[in-house]
Amino acid sequence: DIQMTQSPSSLSASVGDRVTITCRASQGISNYLAWFQQKPGKAPKSLIYAASNLQGGVPSKFSGSGSGTDFTLTISSLQPEDIATYYCQQYKSYPLTFGGGTKVEIK
Amino acid sequence: QLQLQESGPGLVKPSETLSLTCTVSGGSISSSSSYWGWVRQPPGKGLEWIGSIYYSGSTYYNPSLKSRVTISVDTSKNQFSLKLSSVTAADTAVYYCARRAGGRELGPWGQGTLVTVSS
Repeated sequence: DIQMTQSPSSLSASVGDRVTITCRASQGISNYLAWFQQKPGKAPKSLIYAASNLQGGVPSKFSGSGSGTDFTLTISSLQPEDIATYYCQQYKSYPLTFGGGTKVEIK
Repeated sequence: QLQLQESGPGLVKPSETLSLTCTVSGGSISSSSSYWGWVRQPPGKGLEWIGSIYYSGSTYYNPSLKSRVTISVDTSKNQFSLKLSSVTAADTAVYYCARRAGGRELGPWGQGTLVTVSS
């Protein structure tokens, strides 16, 4: 199985801050990586696929980068509506696996 | 627009079998290259993929649950189902159904349904 490790597990930042979340795969997954945003009581929502491609309708303040084993999700200017838990997911091979999540809060 | 909706009992007794159904609307479950799957999330915890099925019946399961999981598809009803046997309190979770199209990431997702395992 491919293990996905996210860091940090939580972070607190001010409105307007640039926020970066990292995700590391236990083996190379090329760019078969997605990022999801999950708000309390809601299903995960896809933000980014293929490591760096923005899903339709997702604000451009979200961006993704990386390939192989190391990936990042960046929020360029944190806003109150971005408060959520963010998960990475690899889809290079079965079993599909998720990172442990990063809870983003406003300072 | 493709939509998925989970349904099934919200309470299951320990040692019994959890059964859920996902109804697909706005598209055909027989769509080529689409796999249909289940993901769960225990309260306050992260996401765990359970397994996926192709409309032909081909399946992939998470090895950690494989001995207890069966996923099936009913193309006539545009539905697929999850059965998880011998449940314990550790299986208490929100269960989501989701599509995986063309080898891509999971999406869209259903809204999720909470299943509690308790006597």
